[in-house]
Amino acid sequence: GQQVMQIPQYQHVQEGEDFTTYCNSSTTLSNIQWYKQRPGGHPVFLIQLVKSGEVKKQKRLTFQFGEAKKNSSLHITATQTTDVGTYFCATMAGGGADGLTFGKGTHLIIQP
Amino acid sequence: ETGVTQTPRHLVMGMTNKKSLKCEQHLGHNAMYWYKQSAKKPLELMFVYNFKEQTENNSVPSRFSPECPNSSHLFLHLHTLQPEDSALYLCASSQDPTVGEKLFFGSGTQLSVL
Repeated sequence: GQQVMQIPQYQHVQEGEDFTTYCNSSTTLSNIQWYKQRPGGHPVFLIQLVKSGEVKKQKRLTFQFGEAKKNSSLHITATQTTDVGTYFCATMAGGGADGLTFGKGTHLIIQP
Repeated sequence: ETGVTQTPRHLVMGMTNKKSLKCEQHLGHNAMYWYKQSAKKPLELMFVYNFKEQTENNSVPSRFSPECPNSSHLFLHLHTLQPEDSALYLCASSQDPTVGEKLFFGSGTQLSVL
């Protein structure tokens, strides 16, 4: 099935700095989704990207899907303490299997 | 409130106990999922049900037994668990699992096996 690799595993930033997490695959992805999980919480859907080279924005968050549909990124501009959490990318499990496969996530830690 | 409710929120059980986790979704979705989240393997897909029929079982040990009586309810029956089964168990739902639609997660059950 499909697998996605996420880097970095942990990212420490000062409040106000930018943050980027990357999601990579060795195979072409049909779509990519991003989720956020706050500490002690559950994953919450942020966005889905489907088209090659697609770019979507949500306030300070910018999501990109690579031209080859093998990678994606999430960029946060001027981080705030409310951005703390783990960001996961996910894609279809592949091989005809149902459900989504998730990356290992990037833990964002913000120092005030 | 996500529309997906899980009970209990916390569970402590011995290795010889039998317990069940419950999940209910109020979103009118057709598919329900169990995911296991631990430090070693974040968000590991366990089971998928589509229209209450199991469509995926990702090599999960038989000590985990799912049950889906209808599209709104999902159970995970636990028996003779091991300490390494301690994890957060998340239930999720979606409209159609075959096209990779977004998932709505419940708050999870934090399970500790002693």
